[in-house]
Amino acid sequence: GAVVSQHPSRVICKSGTSVKIECRSLDFQATTMFWYRQFPKQSLMLMATSNEGSKATYEQGVEKDKFLINHASLTLSTLTVTSAHPEDSSFYICSAGQTAGIGYTFGSGTRLTVV
Amino acid sequence: GQQLNQSPQSMFIQEGEDVSMNCTSSSIFNTWLWYKQDPGEGPVLLIALYKAGELTSNGRLTAQFGITRKDSFLNISASIPSDVGIYFCAGQLRDSNYQLIWGAGTKLIIKP
Repeated sequence: GAVVSQHPSRVICKSGTSVKIECRSLDFQATTMFWYRQFPKQSLMLMATSNEGSKATYEQGVEKDKFLINHASLTLSTLTVTSAHPEDSSFYICSAGQTAGIGYTFGSGTRLTVV
Repeated sequence: GQQLNQSPQSMFIQEGEDVSMNCTSSSIFNTWLWYKQDPGEGPVLLIALYKAGELTSNGRLTAQFGITRKDSFLNISASIPSDVGIYFCAGQLRDSNYQLIWGAGTKLIIKP
């Protein structure tokens, strides 16, 4: 079945630094990838939709200059949290959509802690 | 953002009992999906529904796509300890770019 690999699974960084999270589709091509943020005991909140070869579409209230998304190939999308602050600490999850049909495979998530 | 109405919010059941949860919306959906999320993990797809009225099973799980396209339910029969977790419904609106609308989740707890 479709597999999406996300890493790192956990990262601790100092306030003011940047962190890059990778999302790879291992056995299928993903023209569309989604980045979510999830706070404790809450549902997933869509941050942005990433399309291969074009700019990401950000949801209202999500700062595109802070959460940089790059979907450079059909198998890789990256989310970079720039100048991280403690309030950016959260669980970030990616998912990938396939070119044909519908695919909603999720990565295993990244727990970001900014200290 | 837009969200589905998922209920119940949590369930405390005995092992072996059947479980039922549902999602409703005022919007018409193209696709309904049910996911399970374990702590510290990403959601895992349980069942995908693509046609109104469709009833699909996956082992002890059964889900149905409402005939009006505005609701779906998930049943779990004979619950076991590993069923513990949070279950989310998600729907795809017509003409959207795979974007999903999510329910708030149902937390399943099995009493020892």
